[in-house]
Amino acid sequence: AQSVSQHNHHVILSEAASLELGCNYSYGGTVNLFWYVQYPGQHLQLLLKYFSGDPLVKGIKGFEAEFIKSKFSFNLRKPSVQWSDTAEYFCAVTDDKIIFGKGTRLHILP
Amino acid sequence: GAVVSQHPSRVICKSGTSVKIECRSLDFQATTMFWYRQFPKKSLMLMATSNEGSKATYEQGVEKDKFLINHASLTLSTLTVTSAHPEDSSFYICSAATSGRYEQYFGPGTRLTVT
Repeated sequence: AQSVSQHNHHVILSEAASLELGCNYSYGGTVNLFWYVQYPGQHLQLLLKYFSGDPLVKGIKGFEAEFIKSKFSFNLRKPSVQWSDTAEYFCAVTDDKIIFGKGTRLHILP
Repeated sequence: GAVVSQHPSRVICKSGTSVKIECRSLDFQATTMFWYRQFPKKSLMLMATSNEGSKATYEQGVEKDKFLINHASLTLSTLTVTSAHPEDSSFYICSAATSGRYEQYFGPGTRLTVT
């Protein structure tokens, strides 16, 4: 069965620091990969997605993610975080159904 | 665009009663809607997938007689928690997709508390 693992449950960074959130999945076939974000008090929103093509995907708000097939990874990155990036981030994989990781709570210190 | 609403946002009910939660796609037609349950400090758990006009497909371990799902139109799906118990207290989230399940738009969620 597919599974998604996010390595960090809680990350605390200062503003302007660089961010990388890990995501690994277990499935050998073709997958579609997503990162969703949930800001405090708001609903889940799509940050970026990968279906095919260029493995480096650019999303909203300066986020990007790189699909590395050999490592079954889809890590999320941002070169310089802002206080407003404080949120919970979910990695997700779809094949037949969507499977979410447990989420990473990101807290940015002003 | 692609806005999904849920109603109510918060509900408190007594044990043994039933509660209905609505999920609406406001500006698009959703061929498929999904219901999730989010546990504290845990991921979203897919409960069921519903396609308009047909019976919902439930995930393993989800009681279909307890969690009744109706997808009566392309813009509305309802989840009814029947004979609710305190262990059903949770955050329920719906999402809607226009084609397949590859891109879902999420509702804001409904916090259910069963006393």
